[in-house]
Amino acid sequence: AQSVTQPDIHITVSEGASLELRCNYSYGATPYLFWYVQSPGQGLQLLLKYFSGDTLVQGIKGFEAEFKRSQSSFNLRKPSVHWSDAAEYFCAVGAGYSSASKIIFGSGTRLSIRP
Amino acid sequence: DTGVSQDPRHKITKRGQNVTFRCDPISEHNRLYWYRQTLGQGPEFLTYFQNEAQLEKSRLLSDRFSAERPKGSFSTLEIQRTEQGDSAMYLCASSLGTGGQNIQYFGAGTRLSVL
Repeated sequence: AQSVTQPDIHITVSEGASLELRCNYSYGATPYLFWYVQSPGQGLQLLLKYFSGDTLVQGIKGFEAEFKRSQSSFNLRKPSVHWSDAAEYFCAVGAGYSSASKIIFGSGTRLSIRP
Repeated sequence: DTGVSQDPRHKITKRGQNVTFRCDPISEHNRLYWYRQTLGQGPEFLTYFQNEAQLEKSRLLSDRFSAERPKGSFSTLEIQRTEQGDSAMYLCASSLGTGGQNIQYFGAGTRLSVL
């Protein structure tokens, strides 16, 4: 069965520092991969997605992620975080034959920013 | 395009009461999804529709839960005889669902508290 593991429950980084959030997935075929962000009281906003092609994908707000099939990973990175990046981040995998199928989410990583 | 709209935003009910939530998807989106998110966890898939047809239901969707999308536009999720364990955020998402690069857009959710 498909699954997503986010090993870091909570990460604190200083404003201006670089960020990497880890994500490992379990899926037999080529996965559809997503990173979503959720701020308090807000819905989930898509940061970026990987469907096929270039394994380094660019997203909104300066985020990027790299798909590594050999490591079953899809880590999220940002070179310099801003205080407004504090939120909950969810990695997810599309669980089906198409990108229109349901999504399986990880348990999330809460990001705090140190002034 | 006003995004995915959910109503109400918050619902407090007593155990044993029935509750109904509504989701209005982005217009012309033919797929509609329901997820449930408990505190500290990622969203979990409940069910999804393509137009008015309910195509998949999770085992999480007990017989106390029922979802409808009668005209292929808005959807309702009803919980009968609510239990304290039903307390969660209920998220709705919609997508164009035509294959290819399908993206699910999420609403802000309905937070249910069962006393």
